[in-house]
Amino acid sequence: DAGITQSPRHKVTETGTPVTLRCHQTENHRYMYWYRQDPGHGLRLIHYSYGVKDTDKGEVSDGYSVSRSKTEDFLLTLESATSSQTSVYFCAISGTALTGELFFGEGSRLTVL
Amino acid sequence: DQQVKQNSPSLSVQEGRISILNCDYTNSMFDYFLWYKKYPAEGPTFLISISSIKDKNEDGRFTVFLNKSAKHLSLHIVPSQPGDSAVYFCAAGLRAGANNLFFGTGTRLTVIP
Repeated sequence: DAGITQSPRHKVTETGTPVTLRCHQTENHRYMYWYRQDPGHGLRLIHYSYGVKDTDKGEVSDGYSVSRSKTEDFLLTLESATSSQTSVYFCAISGTALTGELFFGEGSRLTVL
Repeated sequence: DQQVKQNSPSLSVQEGRISILNCDYTNSMFDYFLWYKKYPAEGPTFLISISSIKDKNEDGRFTVFLNKSAKHLSLHIVPSQPGDSAVYFCAAGLRAGANNLFFGTGTRLTVIP
């Protein structure tokens, strides 16, 4: 199994508070991704990174920011959480951009009250 | 607008029989297609993929078929086993897209012993 861990695994927070989710990998993979999974929508890309300090927006990036200061860590930040951001968040990694094969973390369930 | 669609939210199959999961897409430029499998409380795991230049790829009990003219993808599982019970996501991507995959909404497969 790919070495990828997400923290926290579960979080409950209130509307308006900042939240940071962390993704840590031990595979030295270049590409890292944040997806959210919601009923009726499948998995949707929030942001991705193709190297240290190199990030770009995905399909549903509004309200989210990311940072990647080290190869192994990719942080997802909700500056001011809203109830619409209640979701399960998955981090994924990949060593190549040519195949679509991603290795996913176990997910972080976020509830915004 | 969803570029990858799975119109069947659920499917039930008897153990030993064939499971057929379907997926439709709208973007004729996709370079590769994949199936991911997801168990509850776990991240998705890669199952099988197919390049847009092929029409079939087989890996053990799993076969993926691609019909480019119909923009249709299917996954066949033969024979189905209870351990195959999971949610299956199809996904599509572009080689120029840094593995930015577009996922379907998922089909929950239940294999009845």
